[in-house]
Amino acid sequence: AQSVTQPDIHITVSEGASLELRCNYSYGATPYLFWYVQSPGQGLQLLLKYFSGDTLVQGIKGFEAEFKRSQSSFNLRKPSVHWSDAAEYFCAVEGITGGGNKLTFGTGTQLKVEL
Amino acid sequence: NAGVTQTPKFRILKIGQSMTLQCTQDMNHNYMYWYRQDPGMGLKLIYYSVGAGITDKGEVPNGYNVSRSTTEDFPLRLELAAPSQTSVYFCASSYQIGTGRGNEQFFGPGTRLTVL
Repeated sequence: AQSVTQPDIHITVSEGASLELRCNYSYGATPYLFWYVQSPGQGLQLLLKYFSGDTLVQGIKGFEAEFKRSQSSFNLRKPSVHWSDAAEYFCAVEGITGGGNKLTFGTGTQLKVEL
Repeated sequence: NAGVTQTPKFRILKIGQSMTLQCTQDMNHNYMYWYRQDPGMGLKLIYYSVGAGITDKGEVPNGYNVSRSTTEDFPLRLELAAPSQTSVYFCASSYQIGTGRGNEQFFGPGTRLTVL
């Protein structure tokens, strides 16, 4: 069965600093990987996804992620963080068991931005 | 488009009570999902549906029931509420053609449920 690990529960960065959120996955075949963001009191919104091609994928709000098969990682990055990026970030891997594209989520990383 | 809407936003139940969480989407998506989110646990899939009249269990289905009579609606039923069902519930939908993968799931704003 697939699994996702997000080793950092909380991360604090200063506004304008760079950001990297870690994600490691376990999946037997070619993974379909996603990053979602959850703002306080809101549902989840897709930031970006990867399933083939260029291993560096661009998403919304200036985020990017790099797929590294050798490390089973899909880390999320942003060159310069804005205060509005404070939110919880979830990495997910898609698996197929019995039909439907089902997502397995990591436990999330809470990002705090200091002004 | 309103996207995915959920009602109610908040609810407090007593142990043993029942309730239905409503979910509606107006994007003509064929797939719909129910997740629960507990602190530090991420999201866990409760039930999903691949189309009207077809539902299946996810990772944590015990204590819940679902039905899908229309494309738009996917209600989640709690029959005998227990404290362990205190959580935030999210409904989501996606459009999938055949065995296609990598489709974005669109999430509702969630229902915060407390069982006392």
